[in-house]
Amino acid sequence: AQSVTQLGSHVSVSEGALVLLRCNYSSSVPPYLFWYVQYPNQGLQLLLKYTTGATLVKGINGFEAEFKKSETSFHLTKPSAHMSDAAEYFCALGGPGNQFYFGTGTSLTVIP
Amino acid sequence: DTGVSQNPRHKITKRGQNVTFRCDPISEHNRLYWYRQTLGQGPEFLTYFQNEAQLEKSRLLSDRFSAERPKGSFSTLEIQRTEQGDSAMYLCASSARGTANTEAFFGQGTRLTVV
Repeated sequence: AQSVTQLGSHVSVSEGALVLLRCNYSSSVPPYLFWYVQYPNQGLQLLLKYTTGATLVKGINGFEAEFKKSETSFHLTKPSAHMSDAAEYFCALGGPGNQFYFGTGTSLTVIP
Repeated sequence: DTGVSQNPRHKITKRGQNVTFRCDPISEHNRLYWYRQTLGQGPEFLTYFQNEAQLEKSRLLSDRFSAERPKGSFSTLEIQRTEQGDSAMYLCASSARGTANTEAFFGQGTRLTVV
């Protein structure tokens, strides 16, 4: 069965601190994994994706994620948080028919 | 603007009324998806089209929900006899190919409030 679990529905970090948002997946086939960001009353914007190849994936706005098969994880990180990073972040797993299985999201708050 | 466009952005309706939402995908994309997002949750897949063919509709929430894409371009999602539980954000997305490693591009959504 395809599923995604995001640990921590709310994460708060200080401006300039490391951002770490956790995502674990369950997949019966080799996974394709995505991180999307959603600002209030907006649609979802793709941050990065993992398909095959390099397990460390770099995305927009300084974010990156590492695919770890042994841990079934795809955690999102950013070395230094910025106020503009405050948003909702969703991890997603690509599935049959290209539908996405989304996690429940993590709300990131950046404290000045 | 060449992104995914959804109309209206907001819809308030009385319980029992029918509503219809429109989605215009990115022009060269042949796949179109509908998702529902409730407060505090991730988007939930409803249905998708490849061109005009609706390839998956078993995840539509009830027989009150229906979607069309008559000419393989824009799509509509209709909810008949709306209920308060239908209040949510309805997201449309499109993609260029039908493989699991292809990202989808999302519209800004239509927020439905049923009163």
